This record gives sequence, structure tokens and C-alpha cells, in this order.
Amino acid sequence: GEDVEQSLFLSVREGDSSVINCTYTDSSSTYLYWYKQEPGAGLQLLTYIFSNMDMKQDQRLTVLLNKKDKHLSLRIADTQTGDSAIYFCAEGAWGYNKLIFGAGTRLAVHP
Amino acid sequence: ETGVTQSPTHLIKTRGQQVTLRCSSQSGHNTVSWYQQALGQGPQFIFQYYREEENGRGNFPPRFSGLQFPNYSSELNVNALELDDSALYLCASSERGLPEAFFGQGTRLTVV
Repeated sequence: GEDVEQSLFLSVREGDSSVINCTYTDSSSTYLYWYKQEPGAGLQLLTYIFSNMDMKQDQRLTVLLNKKDKHLSLRIADTQTGDSAIYFCAEGAWGYNKLIFGAGTRLAVHP
Repeated sequence: ETGVTQSPTHLIKTRGQQVTLRCSSQSGHNTVSWYQQALGQGPQFIFQYYREEENGRGNFPPRFSGLQFPNYSSELNVNALELDDSALYLCASSERGLPEAFFGQGTRLTVV
């Protein structure tokens, strides 16, 4: 079946690194995604990784994928107050743009 | 700014009524997907349209229906509204075969 799980809440100090974790169940997933949602807003695509990769870096963001364990993580370096938001992990299959989302992790950044 | 626009931004309807939500996709994108996001939850896939035809549906009843137009914009229609239909409705625009899907800002529907 299709299921994506995330921890619900993470609190970090400004300037520290944040690591948000996600597990998924569908082994046929081709792409894994991270989206950011600020209050009252839609979803912003942060980054995605192809399932045959194990790491992708994009400025302050690092995505790690352990396909064997079906575990995905998003690391945000030098976390800022503007990073406070809900982060959603999602899985999708190539050629079909349906995405399966987790419930989201609320990231709170404090001084 | 994704180039995906939704209207209206907020809407209040009475139980039993019908509603139409609209989505204008990003230029060049031929696929539109609709999602329902209840409060405190992740988005749930409703259905997808590709070149004016439904191309996959999630676990939603037939009173949720849609259209896609030749310019790839789309509508979501919900009949016989129920209180549980209160949610943020999101549309996502993409190009078939490419991995990126870009979301609009959503329509907040409240059913009273």
C-alpha cells in the first residue's frame, strides 16, 4: 500500500541544522519530494530526488535517500526563522504525477 | 511564484450546495491535479486531468468531478456539499513525464 510517515514536530535553534525525516512504503516510487507550506499558503516545491540517487544537495538543503530502508531525510543547514513552516514529504511514480503526502512536520525555529 | 493561480481564495457554502473551484496552470503544463488538504493533514489526491481527460482518481466519491479545458486550465466541482468537505483545495500543474509539480495558493472552502 501507499503510506508516508513523518514526525509531527521539530524545534531547532536559529543557526543550527535541522533534519526532518520521512519513511515511505511504495517501493515503486520513482521520485521523492520535499515541499514547504507557510501559514495560509500553498505548497512550495523545495527539492526532489530520483530514486536511484542517494544524495542531492541544493544550497542549504541536503536530501538523503536510503532506498533499502525507504527512508528520506531533509537537512537544512544554518536554519533561519524564515524556515519556520510545515514540511511535507511526498512520493510519486514516473509518468504519473499523483503524489502521496505525509502529514507534515512543523519546524519551529527559535532564537 | 509558481504561475499557478486558483480562484476564489476563500469561499463559504452551505451544506447541500454545489461549488466550482478554478485553476489556471503554469504556461506549457498539460497536466492538472487536484488535492484536498484537511486541517492538520497532508494533501490527499482527488484526481488528475491530462489533455482534457481524467487520468487517475483518488478515493473520493463521484460528487467530486472536474474538467480540463483546451488551454489546460481546470475546474473542480463538488455537489451536495458536506461539512467534511471543508478544507484547503490545491491544484498542481505539471508537464506529463517530468517530475516537478507546482502548486497554487489554494482555495479555502468552508461548509456551514
